[in-house]
Amino acid sequence: DGGITQSPKYLFRKEGQNVTLSCEQNLNHDAMYWYRQDPGQGLRLIYYSQIVNDFQKGDIAEGYSVSREKKESFPLTVTSAQKNPTAFYLCASSMPSGSSYEQYFGPGTRLTVT
Amino acid sequence: AQKVTQAQTEISVVEKEDVTLDCVYETRDTTYYLFWYKQPPSGELVFLIRRNSFDEQNEISGRYSWNFQKSTSSFNFTITASQVVDSAVYFCALIPRSNDYKLSFGAGTTVTVRA
Repeated sequence: DGGITQSPKYLFRKEGQNVTLSCEQNLNHDAMYWYRQDPGQGLRLIYYSQIVNDFQKGDIAEGYSVSREKKESFPLTVTSAQKNPTAFYLCASSMPSGSSYEQYFGPGTRLTVT
Repeated sequence: AQKVTQAQTEISVVEKEDVTLDCVYETRDTTYYLFWYKQPPSGELVFLIRRNSFDEQNEISGRYSWNFQKSTSSFNFTITASQVVDSAVYFCALIPRSNDYKLSFGAGTTVTVRA
């Protein structure tokens, strides 16, 4: 089945540690995205990548880093510089073309930093 | 810049009641795309519908229907005869044609359907 996988579903880290969240898609989509969701709020864009080996900052990129070495994979690293890392992180992918611009989302990773 | 406003934070209904979720948007683009997503308690966002700015036809899919009105910049969503499984957070979102990677979300409306 085609889709987006994120692992793990729950992640716990100590303050000061970097942590990497995994995102893999087999939809053959060119574009991939990372969003952050805080309780009772909408989604905010962290980073996005239109093609392999290229990515752009979103609205809240500070304290995060990404890489896009393969079309299928777009890992997100939450660094110790991120002041408030506890949140729900969602990965998405899309193939903007013609009239098809919807993004498809993975199941999310809930990160707790203490 | 674009903006999506969902003024209703929470809606609670009894099963079989209809519920309408409001969405108002702002964009300078003349070509844009509007979306509704559902986020059940599991957390994953589920795509429900896309509407292009040049197509103002309303759409019905089972118990779901959408009313798109460019004149009022609104894209409202109605669930008819609600069921407990409809309980979720619903997000309205917009992508402008000038930046088709920048999906802007509203804050979401939490719908609770009571049995």
